[in-house]
Amino acid sequence: DARVTQTPRHKVTEMGQEVTMRCQPILGHNTVFWYRQTMMQGLELLAYFRNRAPLDDSGMPKDRFSAEMPDATLATLKIQPSEPRDSAVYFCASGPLPNSPLHFGNGTRLTVT
Amino acid sequence: AQSVSQHNHHVILSEAASLELGCNYSYGGTVNLFWYVQYPGQHLQLLLKYFSGDPLVKGIKGFEAEFIKSKFSFNLRKPSVQWSDTAEYFCAVTARGSSASKIIFGSGTRLSIRP
Repeated sequence: DARVTQTPRHKVTEMGQEVTMRCQPILGHNTVFWYRQTMMQGLELLAYFRNRAPLDDSGMPKDRFSAEMPDATLATLKIQPSEPRDSAVYFCASGPLPNSPLHFGNGTRLTVT
Repeated sequence: AQSVSQHNHHVILSEAASLELGCNYSYGGTVNLFWYVQYPGQHLQLLLKYFSGDPLVKGIKGFEAEFIKSKFSFNLRKPSVQWSDTAEYFCAVTARGSSASKIIFGSGTRLSIRP
C-alpha cells in the first residue's frame, strides 16, 4: 500500500534554528501539497507543486519559509530562522492528478522553544 | 478563489445518534468536493468525494454526503454514529477543470461520541 512518507515525525528546536522537513510523495503522483495544522488556524495551505514546479506558495511566509522539489521523489519545506509561532504539525500530501483526492503523510510535529 | 466554511467547531453526540456536519463552499464555478477524517494522532484520510453525477455520495464506514448546488453545500451525514467515529472531520473543495487549482480545507469539526 503506497504511502506518503514524512521525516522527521517529531522535531524540537530552539528559536532561530533552521528546520528542514522532508516528504516522499507516492511514486507517480505529480501534485504535492504542504499544509500546516494548528488548533487556532486549522489546516492552512502553505505551498503546492505540480510536476515539481511551484504553482502557489502564497500561504507561506516568504521571509522565512521555502519549499522545493529537488526531484520527483523528494519535497522539502525549510524554515530559517524558526520562531515559536511556527510550532504546528506540518503535513505533506500528494495526488495523481490535479483536483484528485490527496494522500496525506503522517505529518511532522514541530515544536520551537 | 474558493473557500470552505464549517460552522460546527465541536459536536458531541451519544452513540447511535444521527449525525449531520455542515459544509458550505464559496466558488462561482464547478467544483470537486471532499470529506476527510482525521482520527486522533493520525493523518487525514479520504472519507468520500463528489466529482459529478448523483449528488448523494456514499463513502466508507456508513458515511454519506449530499451536494446541493443551489445552497453551495456538501453536508456529511451518518444515521447512527459509533464511539469509533470520534475524530476531526474536514470538508475540502477544489475548482474543477483548472489544472492549477488547489485543494482548500475548512477549519474542521471535532466530533466527540459519548459511549
